Amino acid sequence: LAKTTQPISMDSYEGQEVNITCSHNNIATNDYITWYQQFPSQGPRFIIQGYKTKVTNEVASLFIPADRKSSTLSLPRVSLSDTAVYYCLYHNTDKLIFGTGTRLQVFP
Amino acid sequence: GAVVSQHPSRVICKSGTSVKIECRSLDFQATTMFWYRQFPKKSLMLMATSNEGSKATYEQGVEKDKFLINHASLTLSTLTVTSAHPEDSSFYICSPGAQGGAEQYFGPGTRLTVT
Repeated sequence: LAKTTQPISMDSYEGQEVNITCSHNNIATNDYITWYQQFPSQGPRFIIQGYKTKVTNEVASLFIPADRKSSTLSLPRVSLSDTAVYYCLYHNTDKLIFGTGTRLQVFP
Repeated sequence: GAVVSQHPSRVICKSGTSVKIECRSLDFQATTMFWYRQFPKKSLMLMATSNEGSKATYEQGVEKDKFLINHASLTLSTLTVTSAHPEDSSFYICSPGAQGGAEQYFGPGTRLTVT
């Protein structure tokens, strides 16, 4: 089963950049890395996915080093509404196994 | 993006009764549906995978006779918690299998409280 390691929690202030790093030492060659966001009492929401190097979309960037054993989700200029749990996963099918996630708290 | 609905969003039932949770994929056909359970402050735990027209596959430790899954059509999968007990109180979330793409969608979840 996929197993990732993330910090349990992080604190930040509005307007700051937040970087959440995830370790996935057992990632396989055909696995993708995907990050999800979850607000309380809601289903997870897709944020970003990548395979290697860097991926950027309208909400985040994902940095993946050459060995792919870790990845970093970067949230630019967070706001209070970014307070949520962020999950990192690696997978090559649509069967997703969630780790513990990182609880991000953004303060004013 | 894909739209996934769940019904009910919240249900309270008495111990010993059964509760059915519906999950619908509104704008695409889902041959596979994943069911997750999430306890407060915990991560999502995959319970089972349902496939349209065939029996569901349950994860280790999940009782198939207690959590009945039916995937009768490409747009509807149901999870029935039979003889519910307070320890079954949890947040249940469904997720249709991705349509060959990367992004996977989740339902809004159903909060089950067993008294």
